This record gives sequence, structure tokens and C-alpha cells, in this order.
Amino acid sequence: GIQVEQSPPDLILQEGANSTLRCNFSDSVNNLQWFHQNPWGQLINLFYIPSGTKQNGRLSATTVATERYSLLYISSSQTTDSGVYFCAVQFAGNNRKLIWGLGTSLAVNP
Amino acid sequence: EAGVTQSPTHLIKTRGQQATLRCSPISGHTSVYWYQQALGLGLQFLLWYDEGEERNRGNFPPRFSGRQFPNYSSELNVNALELEDSALYLCASSRRGPYTFGSGTRLTVV
Repeated sequence: GIQVEQSPPDLILQEGANSTLRCNFSDSVNNLQWFHQNPWGQLINLFYIPSGTKQNGRLSATTVATERYSLLYISSSQTTDSGVYFCAVQFAGNNRKLIWGLGTSLAVNP
Repeated sequence: EAGVTQSPTHLIKTRGQQATLRCSPISGHTSVYWYQQALGLGLQFLLWYDEGEERNRGNFPPRFSGRQFPNYSSELNVNALELEDSALYLCASSRRGPYTFGSGTRLTVV
């Protein structure tokens, strides 16, 4: 069935380290979005990226739709990067419904 | 540009009561999505409204209902509240593109 899998489930970093989060999906997609949920519950849209590469400051994302995965890169991590990172996918022909991964929980220590 | 606004931010209700949660989308966004996030868990899709119509519904009982008004704002109603309805309720809006989330309503049922 339709699946969105994120890895790793948990990640602990020292401030200044780099990291890569992965999102695998099971079928063709119309769009893919990366979100960050901070410890207070606020969800921020980081990228809307059905294919290709985008960059926003220290964050960048790449989606390779033909190989059914997306990567989120965090460089020079800061404590404010802590929280949960979600990948959400709208599969082709799925009536615009977003399917969410279970998230990667990131803790950045000072 | 004003973001997605949700009210109230916190709501405490007694088991069996009804709760009404409100969401105002970003100007120009016609779709509103409701999600439930229980403590420590991922997002569970509740409802999607677009152009005043309910377009899709998640796997929730009928006591979860809502509507979208002509100005595209939306209400989520939860009847006959149960203790397990305690959660963060998130609203997002979009116009066939990236989702933007509100800050959520934290509902506590006692």
C-alpha cells in the first residue's frame, strides 16, 4: 500500500554538526513537503519539493522522484533546529490527500 | 500577510460536552485541513474542506464534524467528548500548493 517512511527515527547532534534526514515513498507523487515541528507544537513548512533541489539558508532538500526518495540536509545545526521533522507526500491520483511519515525527532545539544 | 489563525489556543472541556474549534486560512487559500495530534504521536488527518465542501474525511467517528464558511474559514466540532479526544488540533490552509499551519488548539478533556 501507499507508504511514507522516514529515517532515522531519532537523531542527537552536537551544535555545529551536519545531518541528513531521509524520506522514502512507495509510489509516484504529485508533491512532497518537509515540515519542522518545534517543541511547542508549531508546524513550519520548510520545503515544497516534488522534484529537484531547493535551498533555504542552512537547510536544503532534494527529491529524486524516479527513485522515490527525498533528503533534507541540515548544516551547521543549532539548538533551535531541535524538534520533529516530518515528510508529507501527496501521491498521484490520491485526491490531494497528504500521507505523513512518522517523523525524525532531532535534538541538538549545545 | 496574516498567517493561519486558530482559536482558542487552549480549551478545557468535561467528558460528554461539545467543543468548537475555529480556523481562519491565509487570504486567498480555499482549502482548509484539520489534523489531530495526540501527545507524542504523529498527525492524524481529520477533514479537508475546499470551496465550502467537505472533500475528504479521515478515519474518525461521525461525532467529529465541521464546516467551511463562504469566507473559507472553518469550524471543527467534536460532540460527546471522550478523554482520548485530548490532543493538539491543527488547521492548515493551502491553494493547491504548500500547506501553512496554524499554531493549533490544545484540547483537554477532563
